[in-house]
Amino acid sequence: SYVVTQPPSVSVAPGKTARIPCGGNNIGSKNVHWYQQKPGQAPVLVIYYDTDRPSGIPERFSGSNSGNTATLTISRVEAGDEADYYCQVWASNSDHVVFGGGTKLTVL
Amino acid sequence: QVQLQQSGPGLVKPSQTLSLTCVISGDSVSSNSAAWNWIRQSPSRGLEWLGRTYYRSKWHNDYAVSVKTRMTINPDTSKNQFYLQLKSVTPEDTAVYYCARDRETATTFWFDLWGQGTLVTVSS
Repeated sequence: SYVVTQPPSVSVAPGKTARIPCGGNNIGSKNVHWYQQKPGQAPVLVIYYDTDRPSGIPERFSGSNSGNTATLTISRVEAGDEADYYCQVWASNSDHVVFGGGTKLTVL
Repeated sequence: QVQLQQSGPGLVKPSQTLSLTCVISGDSVSSNSAAWNWIRQSPSRGLEWLGRTYYRSKWHNDYAVSVKTRMTINPDTSKNQFYLQLKSVTPEDTAVYYCARDRETATTFWFDLWGQGTLVTVSS
């Protein structure tokens, strides 16, 4: 089955740029979606179809996907961005939804 | 405003059936442009998609291989809601369960709306 890998944690200072990778074999050929989850809350979609932002999500959130890595980029990081972030793909060969293990973003 | 509201017991005994309900407001379970999913989350398994139901001229269901033999997801058009039934539960099924709406293209789907989550503990 298809596997996507995320680092357990990423730290960034306020105002800086955070980059959260999601690795997978030729993941650039798939579409990647990203979710933000704060403690005790349900996940919230922040990026879909690699680069698209749902309404209400700040422009500071962006996505890219190429080769073996997709990346969620958060510019001008704020304290309120501290959360767990998950990538998700649909592995069509197995008809299977796959989530990454999540990355905890810490704002220093 | 579209919302999903979950309900169901928080404690289920081993070998019994876990049943949850997700009420949809602001959209339709019979929508031709959405599907209705169950996803769970536990420390040991992370986020795990379980299955979905959707209407495209007729009703369809997809299930994850890991739960396919034990799981049923049914729509209720009269109440605009959908249900999860997971049979023969074990402590491994302890998790926070979410209902979620997905949007799809020919090559992928993503979850744009989630319920509030229900912690279900399997224990005697």
